[in-house]
Amino acid sequence: QVQLVQSGGEVKRPGASVTVSCKTSGYIFSSYAISWVRQAPGQGLEWMGWISGYNGNTGYAQKLQGRVTMTTDTSSTAYLELRTLTSDDTAVYYCARGQGTTADFDYWGQGTLVTVSS
Amino acid sequence: SSELTQDPAVSVALGQTVRITCQGESLRYQYASWYQQKPGQAPLLVFYGKNKRPSGIPDRFSGSSSGDTASLTITEAQAEDGADYYCCSRQSSGDPVIFGGGTKLTVL
Repeated sequence: QVQLVQSGGEVKRPGASVTVSCKTSGYIFSSYAISWVRQAPGQGLEWMGWISGYNGNTGYAQKLQGRVTMTTDTSSTAYLELRTLTSDDTAVYYCARGQGTTADFDYWGQGTLVTVSS
Repeated sequence: SSELTQDPAVSVALGQTVRITCQGESLRYQYASWYQQKPGQAPLLVFYGKNKRPSGIPDRFSGSSSGDTASLTITEAQAEDGADYYCCSRQSSGDPVIFGGGTKLTVL
């Protein structure tokens, strides 16, 4: 069965960087994209960007350009790196499998809470 | 900037039908996908495309679209349908993907 398993919660100081991983299994990694979506406490969903499982091409939300990098490796794992963290980055971060470059995300990771606090 | 607008809250009596709407310019050209999210859980895709329902999603969930508005209809709403619902779509300018602000559905 399809699974996306994310790394554990993180606590970071303002200005630091965080990397969240998303290990996938149960499907052909190169046939889908992975999107990252975050949700601040009590807020809605925010799309952060995506990465192709086929060729590693990426697309990022404009507000995060320059602070975010998404990568993959040969173990069918996707990574999200977010730099220069502020308290506004405190959120649950989700990875989600996307059917091509659509907005149809059919499987999601369990979420990773990233807390930014001094 | 482009956006998708949803009513913040909607309520429905148990067993009745409810429609959750999502309005945005991108919906004139793109289908919406719909996600259900319960507290402490990851979002769950419940409807997408012109007429697609993922395996395991009850057929009381259906979607439609007209002009710049997409709708998710829940027929004979059950207590377990109480959740936050988000619409989402591709768009041709700005960020490739946008989410609506979400609708909190209360089943009375």
